Parts: sequence; structure tokens; C-alpha cells
Amino acid sequence: NAGVMQNPRHLVRRRGQEARLRCSPVKGHSHVYWYRQLPEEGLKFMVYLQKENIIDESGMPKERFSAEFPKEGPSILRIQQVVRGDSAAYFCASSPKERKNQPQHFGDGTRLSIL
Amino acid sequence: DAKTTQPNSMESNEEEPVHLPCNHSTISGTDYIHWYRQLPSQGPEYVIHGLTSNVNNRMASLAIAEDRKSSTLILHRATLRDAAVYYCILIGNAGNMLTFGGGTRLMVKP
Repeated sequence: NAGVMQNPRHLVRRRGQEARLRCSPVKGHSHVYWYRQLPEEGLKFMVYLQKENIIDESGMPKERFSAEFPKEGPSILRIQQVVRGDSAAYFCASSPKERKNQPQHFGDGTRLSIL
Repeated sequence: DAKTTQPNSMESNEEEPVHLPCNHSTISGTDYIHWYRQLPSQGPEYVIHGLTSNVNNRMASLAIAEDRKSSTLILHRATLRDAAVYYCILIGNAGNMLTFGGGTRLMVKP
């Protein structure tokens, strides 16, 4: 069984460009979470989505960032007009149910570098 | 969610047991205790979780204090591949998102 797949693994963008990060959850999982890890820092929650719905985006910056999890296809984290401070590792996780005793399965992340 | 406190780092010798402590003195009655670890250049990996009783799985054991104000993750025989940052996380009613603290960086010496 495939785990959480994230692509690309590495993404380089110039300031002002757009970055699109993709996450395919574990088959059958309908809950997706995005986290960001800045260099030398811990992981910070960004957004929690179910199919076609954003459940909690309290950790998402108010501007330039958006996320979706369509009925078909992967979840997408989109960063518009990237700046140097967006350089980080972005991790996606999925779980099958909305319960606090369900572990989250993580992908290996997308490392975003802004030139 | 209630806060957890872990030592910044610990060292262990290969093939010896490792006890990783976590304090969570403000835990509420419905908070689950989860442990994750993050190996270098990888995403976090679920290790184990529990509510009140001690738990065992193929990776580790989780010992939960009777008053639930602390817990200990036990790796029975550390290997070099267990070198990672270990995170103790409480998940309560506020939501499903994980709140990662600084974790404990475990170094394993051959």
C-alpha cells in the first residue's frame, strides 16, 4: 500500500513566482493536513481539509497561501508571489477518520527553496 | 491543547534500552498522548499512542503515569536507525492537528 505521496520533493522558485505543492493521501483517507517546517525549527500546523472542505485553516498565513482537496485528485497547497521567507519543508499528512486516536501518516515533504 | 515538556537531547548506546520522558502536567481527562519521531530529511513517523493504560507495539512501549501527568516512551533496544527527534504530543478536543514542540533529539552511539 502506498503511503502519503508528495511531489515534487524539491522545488526551486524565484521571488514573485507561484509554488504548487501536491499531496496524495493514503488510499481511503479523507482527511489531509499540511504542516510547515522552517529551517532549524519545529513543524507548525497550517491547514486541515476534508474532501472539498477546509475544516481549519488557523495556521495558514492570511495572504498568498491557499489549499484545496478536491473530490478527485490530490490536495494542493498553493503559494502565490513567493518570498524568501517561504523557504521551508512542507509536509502533508493524512488520516482515515476525524478522531484524536487516529495516527496521522506523513509524506516525506516538499523542500521549497526561493532564490 | 495542553503543553508537553521534553529534554532537548538524550544519548544512548546501541542495543541498550532508551527511556524518553515527557511531562504533561496540565493534561485533561480526554487528551490522548501521541508519540511521533522524525528521522533526518524525512517526514514525521507515528510511533505509538495511549490514553490511560500502558501500550506496546512493534516499535516501542508507552508507559503512562497513574495520574497521567507524565509518560515515557521506551525503545527496548536502540539501533542506529532510531536516531531521530522524538515528539510527545497531546491531542484533545480542540482539533486533530498536531502541535509539535521541540522534541527530544536522540543520539545513538555504536
